[in-house]
Amino acid sequence: GDSVTQMEGPVTLSEEAFLTINCTYTATGYPSLFWYVQYPGEGLQLLLKATKADDKGSNKGFEATYRKETTSFHLEKGSVQVSDSAVYFCALSGDNTNAGKSTFGDGTTLTVKP
Amino acid sequence: NAGVTQTPKFQVLKTGQSMTLQCAQDMNHEYMSWYRQDPGMGLRLIHYSVGAGITDQGEVPNGYNVSRSTTEDFPLRLLSAAPSQTSVYFCASSYSNGVGGYTFGSGTRLTVV
Repeated sequence: GDSVTQMEGPVTLSEEAFLTINCTYTATGYPSLFWYVQYPGEGLQLLLKATKADDKGSNKGFEATYRKETTSFHLEKGSVQVSDSAVYFCALSGDNTNAGKSTFGDGTTLTVKP
Repeated sequence: NAGVTQTPKFQVLKTGQSMTLQCAQDMNHEYMSWYRQDPGMGLRLIHYSVGAGITDQGEVPNGYNVSRSTTEDFPLRLLSAAPSQTSVYFCASSYSNGVGGYTFGSGTRLTVV
C-alpha cells in the first residue's frame, strides 16, 4: 500500500538557518503530495501541495518540489523564524482508486531558537 | 466560515463508557475522515466517508462506529471505551478525495481511565 517516510526528528535550528525536511513516498498511480503544519494544541493546517511531477508548491517561504524520479517531496525554507517551530507532516493522497484516503508520515518536530 | 468544528475539545471517560465525538463542516465538502494521533505514530485513519450515506473503514476501525446522514455531520462513536483509545482525534474534510488537501478540525483530546 501507500506509505510516506519522513526524516526523523526532532530538528533544532537557530533563527535564519536553512531548513530541509526530507520526505519520500511509495504509491501506485499518480498521487498528490502535501505538507501540513501543526502548531501546539491545534489541528493540522495545509502548508503547500503539488499535484503532478515537477510541480513546486510554495507558501510562507516554504517550498517543496514533486520529484517522481526519486519519489521525494522535500520541504525547504531559506531562513527559518522562531514562529516556524511546529510539527511538519508530509502526506499523499492517492488517485481516484483510493478515494477518501490520505497517508501521512510520522511528523518531524522543528524547534527554532532565537 | 467556521470550517471544521469538533466537540468536545477534551473528554475523560471511564473504561466501558460510550460517547460520541461530534464533527461538522460548513464547506459542503463531500469527503470526511476521522484520524487518531498518537505519539510517534503519526495520524492513523479510523473511518472515512465519500458522501452522505456512504462510509468505509480505515486503518484502525475496531471499537469505533460512524454514520453520515447529512453532508455536514460525521460523528464518531466509541462503543465501549478502552484505555487504548486514549488519543487525540481529528476530523478532516475535503472537496475531493483529498487531492486538494484536507481541512482539519482542532481536535478532541480523549483520556480513558
